[in-house]
Amino acid sequence: NAGVMQNPRHLVRRRGQEARLRCSPMKGHSHVYWYRQLPEEGLKFMVYLQKENIIDESGMPKERFSAEFPKEGPSILRIQQVVRGDSAAYFCASSPGQGSNEKLFFGSGTQLSVL
Amino acid sequence: GDSVTQMEGPVTLSEEAFLTINCTYTATGYPSLFWYVQYPGEGLQLLLKATKADDKGSNKGFEATYRKETTSFHLEKGSVQVSDSAVYFCALRGTGTASKLTFGTGTRLQVTL
Repeated sequence: NAGVMQNPRHLVRRRGQEARLRCSPMKGHSHVYWYRQLPEEGLKFMVYLQKENIIDESGMPKERFSAEFPKEGPSILRIQQVVRGDSAAYFCASSPGQGSNEKLFFGSGTQLSVL
Repeated sequence: GDSVTQMEGPVTLSEEAFLTINCTYTATGYPSLFWYVQYPGEGLQLLLKATKADDKGSNKGFEATYRKETTSFHLEKGSVQVSDSAVYFCALRGTGTASKLTFGTGTRLQVTL
């Protein structure tokens, strides 16, 4: 049973370009979480999605950032018109359900570097 | 809001030394508490957890006790190994927040021979 798969592992973009980060949850998991880790900081919650629904986006910046988790295919975190401050490690986690005792399984992350 | 404060690193220890990484939290209600470990180039892995006051989580020789009176969840290990070198994150899940976690900034542990 493959774990949470994130790609690419490393992504380099120039200022103003778009970044697309992909996350395939573990088999059987229908809940996906995105976290961002800025240099020298802990992971910060961004968004929580179920298939075709955004459940909690309280950690998402108001502009340029969006996320989706379609019925088929991976979850996508999209960053438009990237700026240097977007440089960070972006981690995806998945769980099978919503309950408060559900264990989260994390991917290895995507390191975004904005030049 | 919820927050987690953990000691800054890096922490450098010799093999077989005793490890303590401090973690304190602020949260309303009765959060669940976690320690995650991140090995180089990998994602976070759950190391141990405790869901109510006075619970002790343990795994791979690591332990942490949920202390509500001091709002703490310090990580300890009696004898560290080189293979324990990693970044350790303390985290909490607040009451009624599904699986959303609040993380500390992480503490890097380097164990040398």
